[in-house]
Amino acid sequence: AQTVTQSQPEMSVQEAETVTLSCTYDTSESNYYLFWYKQPPSRQMILVIRQEAYKQQNATENRFSVNFQKAAKSFSLKISDSQLGDTAMYFCAFSMEYGNKLVFGAGTILRVKS
Amino acid sequence: DTEVTQTPKHLVMGMTNKKSLKCEQHMGHRAMYWYKQKAKKPPELMFVYSYEKLSINESVPSRFSPECPNSSLLNLHLHALQPEDSALYLCASSPSRGAKNIQYFGAGTRLSVL
Repeated sequence: AQTVTQSQPEMSVQEAETVTLSCTYDTSESNYYLFWYKQPPSRQMILVIRQEAYKQQNATENRFSVNFQKAAKSFSLKISDSQLGDTAMYFCAFSMEYGNKLVFGAGTILRVKS
Repeated sequence: DTEVTQTPKHLVMGMTNKKSLKCEQHMGHRAMYWYKQKAKKPPELMFVYSYEKLSINESVPSRFSPECPNSSLLNLHLHALQPEDSALYLCASSPSRGAKNIQYFGAGTRLSVL
């Protein structure tokens, strides 16, 4: 069975600074997908970024980028130039290539301070 | 338009009541999902519909009854719920099954069972 671990229950960062959220996972699959979802106080889960395991290049989306280390089974999220609107719960998630079940980590609450 | 609409936003019901949650999308997606989320916890998958047929039931108690009347609409019928069923219920949709297809989430229905 696949597992996803987020070891940082809460983090805080000053506005405009950079923060990195950690995620590790365990799987015996060779191809799969990894996701970071954001859930602000408004409750709606929003996809931040997606990584396909067979792609070597780390995914980036504007201020958001990942450090994907397949051998280490690590998938961290870096947020640059943090903004107050980045305050949210962030979930790391795993899905097998042909599955549609998302396995979520426990989440990290990120607070951006002014 | 990447909108998944859930109604109602809030629902309070007694243990003997019957109520329904509604989820709608007009993106032409053929897979739809129900999740249950407790406070500060990750979402837990309940049901998956693919092409209007139930494809995954995560051993959910029969007091929760899903229905997919058409490709745009997903209902969750509730009957004889328990106080521990109080949670945020999230609906999601994706173009079809498979992890390449990103799941888009609604804002959820906050359910309180008295």
